[in-house]
Amino acid sequence: SQWGEENLQALSIQEGEDVTMNCSYKTYTTVVHWYRQDSGRGPALIILIRSNEREKRSGRLRATLDTSSQSSSLSITAAQCEDTAVYFCATVNNYAQGLTFGLGTRVSVFP
Amino acid sequence: EAAVTQSPRNKVAVTGGKVTLSCNQTNNHNNMYWYRQDTGHGLRLIHYSYGAGSTEKGDIPDGYKASRPSQENFSLILELATPSQTSVYFCASGDGTGHTEVFFGKGTRLTVV
Repeated sequence: SQWGEENLQALSIQEGEDVTMNCSYKTYTTVVHWYRQDSGRGPALIILIRSNEREKRSGRLRATLDTSSQSSSLSITAAQCEDTAVYFCATVNNYAQGLTFGLGTRVSVFP
Repeated sequence: EAAVTQSPRNKVAVTGGKVTLSCNQTNNHNNMYWYRQDTGHGLRLIHYSYGAGSTEKGDIPDGYKASRPSQENFSLILELATPSQTSVYFCASGDGTGHTEVFFGKGTRLTVV
């Protein structure tokens, strides 16, 4: 597998708290995608970080990439109920530059 | 707006029957992909395509065929459906650079009984 087994987890937090999820990958990559999947929908890109960026921010989202340890993280600041979703990290594979996904992190935000 | 449309959204099929899942994209992307999603396995790549007339095997192609008759359309075919193929299937399209968004459809829930 492209991804480490620690990818699969579920996190429950209250509104206003911060949450961080981590991914580790086994093969070299120059970019890590983070996707969000809402119930009954397909995954949608929320942030993409390249190997020369180390950190990328988008609104309340912050992604990091450490190519030396082959790991990436996604943080959500001041989580809201609408952040409830499954979050996936993904790297680019050799199959027409498609994506290989980790197992995902289910984040549940309660009021 | 980028769009990938799958049909049907839900399908119940009998064991041994033929099933065709259809996908249409209006993104003008060369590359298209079929994934299945199962609890505990995440999204796994079944087949992909570089363009019209091209189909290639992904990580789990056994029991599946694909067809890419045009730039816009990419089908997944189960010639002899089995209960183990009960899953949610996602079609996606991308520009092939790996550095831009891959767009997904809403998925097809297939149940084989």
